[in-house]
Amino acid sequence: DAMVIQNPRYQVTQFGKPVTLSCSQTLNHNVMYWYQQKSSQAPKLLFHYYDKDFNNEADTPDNFQSRRPNTSFCFLDIRSPGLGDAAMYLCATSRDRGVRGYTFGSGTRLTVV
Amino acid sequence: QKEVEQNSGPLSVPEGAIASLNCTYSDRGSQSFFWYRQYSGKSPELIMSIYSNGDKEDGRFTAQLNKASQYVSLLIRDSQPSDSATYLCAVNSGSNYQLIWGAGTKLIIKP
Repeated sequence: DAMVIQNPRYQVTQFGKPVTLSCSQTLNHNVMYWYQQKSSQAPKLLFHYYDKDFNNEADTPDNFQSRRPNTSFCFLDIRSPGLGDAAMYLCATSRDRGVRGYTFGSGTRLTVV
Repeated sequence: QKEVEQNSGPLSVPEGAIASLNCTYSDRGSQSFFWYRQYSGKSPELIMSIYSNGDKEDGRFTAQLNKASQYVSLLIRDSQPSDSATYLCAVNSGSNYQLIWGAGTKLIIKP
């Protein structure tokens, strides 16, 4: 089945230690998104790629970076995680402008200790 | 600023009754409207999409859209305990790539 896969499902990292979350998709969607979601809050868009074009949200901290080496894969790098970065990180994909909605991966729960 | 508003709940509904979830949005240029279901600790799952005024039915779910009133709702008939989740309303203006999200309504179905 075509899907969006996130690894790992759970990630524990130390305060200040760089961490990378990964996302892959078999849907051949050209847009990939990274969201941060904290408890009882709406998902917050960090950035997205339209094909190879990177689009950063204005309020995304510099601590967060992303890479998309090809259509299928996208990575979220957190250079120096702080306690406030503990959250669920969601990868989503869409075709073009997402008029037909987004497809989400299962998410990665990040804990910072 | 484009906004999507939902009552945070929790909304408690007896099993077998109709659950009614509501959402308002501020951007009159919005074109696509979505309801996502999110179980605790899981990712959002798309359950309904609607693009034109009126009702759209899919099984026990009915989405209703009123663009003049900037209002979209989700009705769940014959509510089941497995419907207990947070329901997120999301709106796509079509002018950019972003979905604008509501904060979600927590629905509790009581057996």
